[in-house]
Amino acid sequence: NAGVMQNPRHLVRRRGQEARLRCSPMKGHSHVYWYRQLPEEGLKFMVYLQKENIIDESGMPKERFSAEFPKEGPSILRIQQVVRGDSAAYFCASSPGLAGGHSYNEQFFGPGTRLTVL
Amino acid sequence: GQQLNQSPQSMFIQEGEDVSMNCTSSSIFNTWLWYKQEPGEGPVLLIALYKAGELTSNGRLTAQFGITRKDSFLNISASIPSDVGIYFCAGRPYSGAGSYQLTFGKGTKLSVIP
Repeated sequence: NAGVMQNPRHLVRRRGQEARLRCSPMKGHSHVYWYRQLPEEGLKFMVYLQKENIIDESGMPKERFSAEFPKEGPSILRIQQVVRGDSAAYFCASSPGLAGGHSYNEQFFGPGTRLTVL
Repeated sequence: GQQLNQSPQSMFIQEGEDVSMNCTSSSIFNTWLWYKQEPGEGPVLLIALYKAGELTSNGRLTAQFGITRKDSFLNISASIPSDVGIYFCAGRPYSGAGSYQLTFGKGTKLSVIP
């Protein structure tokens, strides 16, 4: 009964490099969400995706950030030309979608990827 | 956008004591969720609330969805050392664009003194 899986757990990048964060949702879940957490803060919504579609990207910076959830494989959050301000914990969550009844409201989180930009 | 005010920011309590924390919103939410996060881990869902006035328990935890739809509280009874962590409230707005995203409070950091 695997939960949401994220990798890598820790990622170190130098300024200007690219960061790729991966998320595999729980089995049977078709909705994926990405959140960012700064130290001592709550999580901030970035983007919501279903298979092959971005539904809501209102929380994601317009430049350098992109997300995808292909038909096959994990969801990817990509940050190009990273800057020090991108250092944070990035969490992925998944939910079963509308077919899950009330449970479509319930988002289950992965362990996160801690990105450090040097 | 929506904002959640969560209080208190931190608590130090003796083992065995009861704990209460709450969240208030500037706008209506149709779902309230309570999560616990431990260091280096992702948030773990504790309780989900869907109806105004709803009171739900999960072991020693009890949470309520406020009648106005703008607040929720979480109680932990007879605290134990493993209750240590950061507790977050999260809500989904009532309707409209972005209604699938969760808005999080800033968390209540709980420390339990044995």
